[in-house]
Amino acid sequence: GNSVTQMEGPVTLSEEAFLTINCTYTATGYPSLFWYVQYPGEGLQLLLKATKADDKGSNKGFEATYRKETTSFHLEKGSVQVSDSAVYFCALRGGRDDKIIFGKGTRLHILP
Amino acid sequence: NAGVTQTPKFQVLKTGQSMTLQCAQDMNHNSMYWYRQDPGMGLRLIYYSASEGTTDKGEVPNGYNVSRLNKREFSLRLESAAPSQTSVYFCASRVSDMNTYGYTFGSGTRLTVV
Repeated sequence: GNSVTQMEGPVTLSEEAFLTINCTYTATGYPSLFWYVQYPGEGLQLLLKATKADDKGSNKGFEATYRKETTSFHLEKGSVQVSDSAVYFCALRGGRDDKIIFGKGTRLHILP
Repeated sequence: NAGVTQTPKFQVLKTGQSMTLQCAQDMNHNSMYWYRQDPGMGLRLIYYSASEGTTDKGEVPNGYNVSRLNKREFSLRLESAAPSQTSVYFCASRVSDMNTYGYTFGSGTRLTVV
């Protein structure tokens, strides 16, 4: 079945550092890929998405590129801020299945 | 504000008690979902409803029941709560449209079973 694997956290960085959170997936066909963010005490919010190979999703300075050859969708940001501290979830939606499958989440701490 | 509303936000139950978690959305979305979030486990799908009048089991349905009361509302019931059901529960919805891919989530219900 479909699955998502993302790097375990917590990840701790200093403000203005470069961020990468790795995500790989297993799916049949051509899934859509997502990154969601969860701020403390809140529900998940869609951060960005990509629906086909080589698509780049971007939002709020974050980017992720759909790499079918490596089955990856790594999240990157060039200069993180304290306000980026949150839990980040990689997810996929595959084929005719209406459901989204989530990774286990990566907690990010940004130090001032 | 438009979105997904969950009630209650917090609840403490004794083992064996029952309760219903309520979820309502005002975005005219067709599909609705219940997830539970546990440390180190991410989000796991409990039940979902692709449209009014239909419900299906997700990854972890045991111990739960659901009702899609109408297009707006999708409730989750615990008939006999167990400590293993201590978790944060999230409701989500989305339009069943090939051009719309993301979910809208509620802010969660934190449930503790003692």
